[in-house]
Amino acid sequence: AQSVSQHNHHVILSEAASLELGCNYSYGGTVNLFWYVQYPGQHLQLLLKYFSGDPLVKGIKGFEAEFIKSKFSFNLRKPSVQWSDTAEYFCAVTPSGGYQKVTFGIGTKLQVIP
Amino acid sequence: GAGVSQTPSNKVTEKGKYVELRCDPISGHTALYWYRQSLGQGPEFLIYFQGTGAADDSGLPNDRFFAVRPEGSVSTLKIQRTERGDSAVYLCASSLRGLAGTNTGELFFGEGSRLTVL
Repeated sequence: AQSVSQHNHHVILSEAASLELGCNYSYGGTVNLFWYVQYPGQHLQLLLKYFSGDPLVKGIKGFEAEFIKSKFSFNLRKPSVQWSDTAEYFCAVTPSGGYQKVTFGIGTKLQVIP
Repeated sequence: GAGVSQTPSNKVTEKGKYVELRCDPISGHTALYWYRQSLGQGPEFLIYFQGTGAADDSGLPNDRFFAVRPEGSVSTLKIQRTERGDSAVYLCASSLRGLAGTNTGELFFGEGSRLTVL
């Protein structure tokens, strides 16, 4: 079975600071990887996804993530955060192919201070 | 509808009571998932349906929990003899069938049903 580990549970940054949130997964085969975001009072929504191809994927609002297969990692980055990025971020993994369950990490709460 | 709809949005019940939570997925989405999210935790997988059948119910915590999707669309999560530990937000998500019949894994979530067991 797959699992996801997120290293930082609570991150506080000032506006314009750079962001990197760590995510590692455990699974013996090929995977699809995701970052979901939950803004205050809103439902979970997809931020970006990796299925195959270029390991550097770009998502909405200037976010990007890099899949490093050798490290089983899929870290989320943004060069300059804004107050509106304050949210909870969840890394998720599912085995490639077929209908499979999606496993989420514990989440990282990001607080951006103006 | 435009998105995944969950009802009720809030449910307060007493310990020992029976509860039903409903999910109406995005039209045409064949996969439907139930997750539970407790405070400070990520979504915890409960069950997912492919069409009418439960393809994986390994996340249901015990036999007090049961879910159905009789016509392959709306799903109901049923909790019998509720306990205080069942208090959480119950999330429903649906997913589109991808290329070559695979599940893209991209989930579309509802707002959730917040269950409080007193």
